[in-house]
Amino acid sequence: EPEVTQTPSHQVTQMGQEVILRCVPISNHLYFYWYRQILGQKVEFLVSFYNNEISEKSEIFDDQFSVERPDGSNFTLKIRSTKLEDSAMYFCATLEPLAGYSYEQYFGPGTRLTVT
Amino acid sequence: AQRVTQPEKLLSVFKGAPVELKCNYSYSGSPELFWYVQYSRQRLQLLLRHISRESIKGFTADLNKGETSFHLKKPFAQEEDSAMYYCALSAGGSEKLVFGKGTKLTVNP
Repeated sequence: EPEVTQTPSHQVTQMGQEVILRCVPISNHLYFYWYRQILGQKVEFLVSFYNNEISEKSEIFDDQFSVERPDGSNFTLKIRSTKLEDSAMYFCATLEPLAGYSYEQYFGPGTRLTVT
Repeated sequence: AQRVTQPEKLLSVFKGAPVELKCNYSYSGSPELFWYVQYSRQRLQLLLRHISRESIKGFTADLNKGETSFHLKKPFAQEEDSAMYYCALSAGGSEKLVFGKGTKLTVNP
């Protein structure tokens, strides 16, 4: 069964550094998402992406964050200048539309980002 | 604003006992409700969606619009049901998911 993959599984970086988190979506899916989960807290929506542009973003997704799909396969989340509070598990998800206006989001295994 | 509340952080039952994981939501319109499950060292995966009204692994969930609830139930819990369970909603024409904090279910032998 096809799966969403994410790399790296764990990233440690120093405050102020740029990080790029990578996701390979399921091949025929067209809608992509990033979520994050700070330890002990809820999974929170960051951004959705369709047709090579952002379709929706949360207030968390400020100017420090960007997404792109540079080569038609990888879907990346970039954090320009990491802060301690960016430490979290970052999940990529892709959406499969289903019959009857329903859909299912498939999640990747996550990337644990630790900012020191 | 859309919000999902799962009042129990931890829930522990014995094998064979009934289990109910509570989920309440706040949204003025008609949301779509989901239960996601995360087994140890595995990814989040969809367990149920309210629109399909199905039973998966013996679990069912009924949307109660009057009580704004979508509780997850299973009549006889199994040890392999031990996992983290997240209730989520999407609404307003957006497919983004709004999650609750999750309930860790432990089924003891």
